[in-house]
Amino acid sequence: DVKVTQSSRYLVKRTGEKVFLECVQDMDHENMFWYRQDPGLGLRLIYFSYDVKMKEKGDIPEGYSVSREKKERFSLILESASTNQTSMYLCASSLATGPLSQPQHFGDGTRLSIL
Amino acid sequence: AQSVSQHNHHVILSEAASLELGCNYSYGGTVNLFWYVQYPGQHLQLLLKYFSGDPLVKGIKGFEAEFIKSKFSFNLRKPSVQWSDTAEYFCAVSISSGSARQLTFGSGTQLTVLP
Repeated sequence: DVKVTQSSRYLVKRTGEKVFLECVQDMDHENMFWYRQDPGLGLRLIYFSYDVKMKEKGDIPEGYSVSREKKERFSLILESASTNQTSMYLCASSLATGPLSQPQHFGDGTRLSIL
Repeated sequence: AQSVSQHNHHVILSEAASLELGCNYSYGGTVNLFWYVQYPGQHLQLLLKYFSGDPLVKGIKGFEAEFIKSKFSFNLRKPSVQWSDTAEYFCAVSISSGSARQLTFGSGTQLTVLP
């Protein structure tokens, strides 16, 4: 079974801090994704990556960056955390086969609070 | 850009009632369609998916969905809900052009099943 592991379940940081959220998958998936989940807004894609060192902006990339140095690991970075980045962050991965998306497998999420 | 609409934000049913959750998308080309479920405190899980073929798709736990291309809809159904179906349900779509690996999610429907 696919396992997507996010490094922290809960995280509290202060405004202006640089924050790192880590995600590791164990199924050799090419694609990895970072979303934020907010009540009434569903999941919104921040960034995704389809290969090592490759990244693409999603719908809401402002204030975030990502890093993918190894295939199994995808990091989300909040360069200077702000209170409006308080949210649940979800990591996901999927295979890259065919022209259309394969099902994504999700981690348990990191609930990030910025004070 | 494509969008996904889930018009029911919160649905409350009694056990054994029938369920139908609406999902509409706004893209005229080839799509893949998904329903995900998030039980309280758990990660998102795939309920079912439609890639091609029979528009009536059966998923796990007795759920099914029907793809109606002319209506741009992919509604989720279950004939008789159980208390354990209490969860948030998300519809998602991917398209066959551009960043094909992306999923666009709806805002989610919270289902509460009363015992």
